[in-house]
Amino acid sequence: DTGVSQNPRHKITKRGQNVTFRCDPISEHNRLYWYRQTLGQGPEFLTYFQNEAQLEKSRLLSDRFSAERPKGSFSTLEIQRTEQGDSAMYLCAVKPGQTYEQYFGPGTRLTVT
Amino acid sequence: AQSVTQLDSQVPVFEEAPVELRCNYSSSVSVYLFWYVQYPNQGLQLLLKYLSGSTLVESINGFEAEFNKSQTSFHLRKPSVHISDTAEYFCAVTGMDSSYKLIFGSGTRLLVRP
Repeated sequence: DTGVSQNPRHKITKRGQNVTFRCDPISEHNRLYWYRQTLGQGPEFLTYFQNEAQLEKSRLLSDRFSAERPKGSFSTLEIQRTEQGDSAMYLCAVKPGQTYEQYFGPGTRLTVT
Repeated sequence: AQSVTQLDSQVPVFEEAPVELRCNYSSSVSVYLFWYVQYPNQGLQLLLKYLSGSTLVESINGFEAEFNKSQTSFHLRKPSVHISDTAEYFCAVTGMDSSYKLIFGSGTRLLVRP
């Protein structure tokens, strides 16, 4: 099963607040990816994990962003001191070991007011 | 590095008509290619993929895409669309490197009218 759940589904926060999103794959997958999707655009890569190791971070991931995958299963994405430009859909995806495609969760829609 | 271009931001079509959604990519290395579909308020669903072998790949709901290496294209087609096909369609590519991160196009909104 390649299901992925994400919580919360929606988050409204005020500028300057910190927010944390969670991604839970139903079964274990070595690779876990985070993407950001703004209105009218395709998803953009943010970062990915191989088990608990974070192996690559996009330049989009400023120092206000941090991601973890402490036990190689679920992952969290935290944004500190949110800005209006952080408003987007944040998507989590997993890549089963012997395949090349990725399977996405429903996303967390962040609105910064 | 890879990039993907979907020139058509929106494609309106009547029900039961054929449709083609265009996708072109650029890459300095060999790639794998994908089409994803996103229905309103839902996540991305894998529609079909090209990894190797036959350049024509098909999905279970009647879509097909053809990989054309010389033209660096991976256009999506369906001979007869349904109202339920209304959605956003994203073409994506990943290079055969170690990260396998996906690079997406900006999407094409398919609007099927009765």
